[in-house]
Amino acid sequence: SQQGEEDPQALSIQEGENATMNCSYKTSINNLQWYRQNSGRGLVHLILIRSNEREKHSGRLRVTLDTSKKSSSLLITASRAADTASYFCATRRETSGSRLTFGEGTQLTVNP
Amino acid sequence: DTGVSQDPRHKITKRGQNVTFRCDPISEHNRLYWYRQTLGQGPEFLTYFQNEAQLEKSRLLSDRFSAERPKGSFSTLEIQRTEQGDSAMYLCASSERTPSTGELFFGEGSRLTVL
Repeated sequence: SQQGEEDPQALSIQEGENATMNCSYKTSINNLQWYRQNSGRGLVHLILIRSNEREKHSGRLRVTLDTSKKSSSLLITASRAADTASYFCATRRETSGSRLTFGEGTQLTVNP
Repeated sequence: DTGVSQDPRHKITKRGQNVTFRCDPISEHNRLYWYRQTLGQGPEFLTYFQNEAQLEKSRLLSDRFSAERPKGSFSTLEIQRTEQGDSAMYLCASSERTPSTGELFFGEGSRLTVL
């Protein structure tokens, strides 16, 4: 079963707007990662946040983690048409060894 | 190209046939993962190797599925007696042995269509 659930399932915005995606998970984690997938392609790692971190930035990306609520959010600022893709959160549980468990994903469409 | 490579990229087969996918990870990575992804869903974990040892297998990996990594380098995923429900994208990923991070590097995937 999937560990993470992303919200919303689909998001459509205009270029220049910010996009926020949320992820909830069920068990204690070691870290949480966000990946991007263009249609029909492999996944690309975006950013990792450890369980003892609350916020992390990378370029136009901002990730937050609230372990008390078992949730994370990914903010993409000043979106571009090229940001159109599916975005997945993935968790590494404390007790699952090396397995990364992915959520269902959010399909982001950025309209030019 | 020093990324993860998968072959073939596309495979169409008839129900009941066997198929094999190959994955070549990034050369210095000793961990290798197989995931399966159906349309509109997130990747589902199948199995992972550390060097040549298969350390974890999902319950999704039925007895028709077998994965090997004989010399700790490339890996193969074989599906015997394919069924229509096996139609999916099969993704391979590799990572370094770094417990505190574990970022995965994915290949482009092998898309299987079972007719």
